[in-house]
Amino acid sequence: KNEVEQSPQNLTAQEGEFITINCSYSVGISALHWLQQHPGGGIVSLFMLSSGKKKHGRLIATINIQEKHSSLHITASHPRDSAVYICAVAGYGGSQGNLIFGKGTKLSVKP
Amino acid sequence: DTEVTQTPKHLVMGMTNKKSLKCEQHMGHRAMYWYKQKAKKPPELMFVYSYEKLSINESVPSRFSPECPNSSLLNLHLHALQPEDSALYLCASSPRGRGGYTFGSGTRLTVV
Repeated sequence: KNEVEQSPQNLTAQEGEFITINCSYSVGISALHWLQQHPGGGIVSLFMLSSGKKKHGRLIATINIQEKHSSLHITASHPRDSAVYICAVAGYGGSQGNLIFGKGTKLSVKP
Repeated sequence: DTEVTQTPKHLVMGMTNKKSLKCEQHMGHRAMYWYKQKAKKPPELMFVYSYEKLSINESVPSRFSPECPNSSLLNLHLHALQPEDSALYLCASSPRGRGGYTFGSGTRLTVV
């Protein structure tokens, strides 16, 4: 079993829809990251969470440490949101800076 | 400056060539990372430098040779690569022990 599981693997939405991507993890973490990668492109860090909720524009990320679960929400989705969204967790101590990645969720938003 | 800059963006090299990838950041981050990413897969950690010292080498073949000449610069020297080494090579940095990852836009490497 992977230490970081994301769902769904693929997601197609119509422009304007509310989108949720889920991430569950099985290890103790110091932080959880949500990352965005456009096709053929580099990675952009969207959020780093250790508790609670963060909001940036149309993006909202939440984390429940007790349940080892995080969600990324996109409100009023737009075709430019089409990308792969990756959940990654950072451990403790010497591994604190090293990320364990989920397999990503490929999002396509249709106009 | 809040970026990690990678050069070149694209590189095509023959199996007998020697080339280098460069990564630079001026955020004062003391941990720097090289990742390899194949198509439709998550990144795989290759090397970690902490305070300019190599702290992790994830059993990477010796044809990949990292170098950290100073706290802002990270190089990856390539020699005698194989076609299966073709991938996106990503550099990242973080304030050591405090998260806050910043990724570069990557170098798309093709070995012919």
